[in-house]
Amino acid sequence: GVSQSPSNKVTEKGKDVELRCDPISEHNRLYWYRQTLGQGPEFLTYFQNEAQLEKSRLLSDRFSAERPKGSFSTLEIQRTEQGDSAMYLCASSSWSDPYEQYFGPGTRLTVT
Amino acid sequence: AQSVTQPDIHITVSEGASLELRCNYSYGATPYLFWYVQSPGQGLQLLLKYFSGDTLVQGIKGFEAEFKRSQSSFNLRKPSVQWSDTAEYFCAVNAGYGGSQGNLIFGKGTKLSVKP
Repeated sequence: GVSQSPSNKVTEKGKDVELRCDPISEHNRLYWYRQTLGQGPEFLTYFQNEAQLEKSRLLSDRFSAERPKGSFSTLEIQRTEQGDSAMYLCASSSWSDPYEQYFGPGTRLTVT
Repeated sequence: AQSVTQPDIHITVSEGASLELRCNYSYGATPYLFWYVQSPGQGLQLLLKYFSGDTLVQGIKGFEAEFKRSQSSFNLRKPSVQWSDTAEYFCAVNAGYGGSQGNLIFGKGTKLSVKP
């Protein structure tokens, strides 16, 4: 399945953090979502292979995502703010069935 | 803009009772619709999906959903719930085509509690 690390991350305001997602190996599409308390997941960004094809306006300049060689992906948040506290979800889908997304367990980020 | 509304924040039912969770969407074309379930500590799991064709779709764990274009609805149903169905349920719509292929727009979710 899709794996994410770490499962939990507590950081101080102003520090940088990096979250990792390992998709299902044959899946070429990878998505990042953010979920806050009482809300459904909100789309952040999307990769097809190594190309980042779309970014939500939720993704401020402090956020950057990469997917080198079309394999795993990292989501880096610079100068974290308390408003960044959320569950960050990763999902992947295949070329043959792009609309069926498989989600990882998420990384819970807490900014103190 | 596309949107999904789940009017019920929290529903409690007794084990063995029937269940219907409501979902309304706003979308200009024929939508791709999904229901996901999220159990505590678990990732989102796809229950079922509707792309086209038969408007009544069957999913895993005994769930089904009916697409009603005239009502812009995609309600989730189960004839007899089990205690293990306690979880949060999310309705989602595909955001569109072209550059937005695949990313989902989710409702806020409905928390289901099943009383034993």
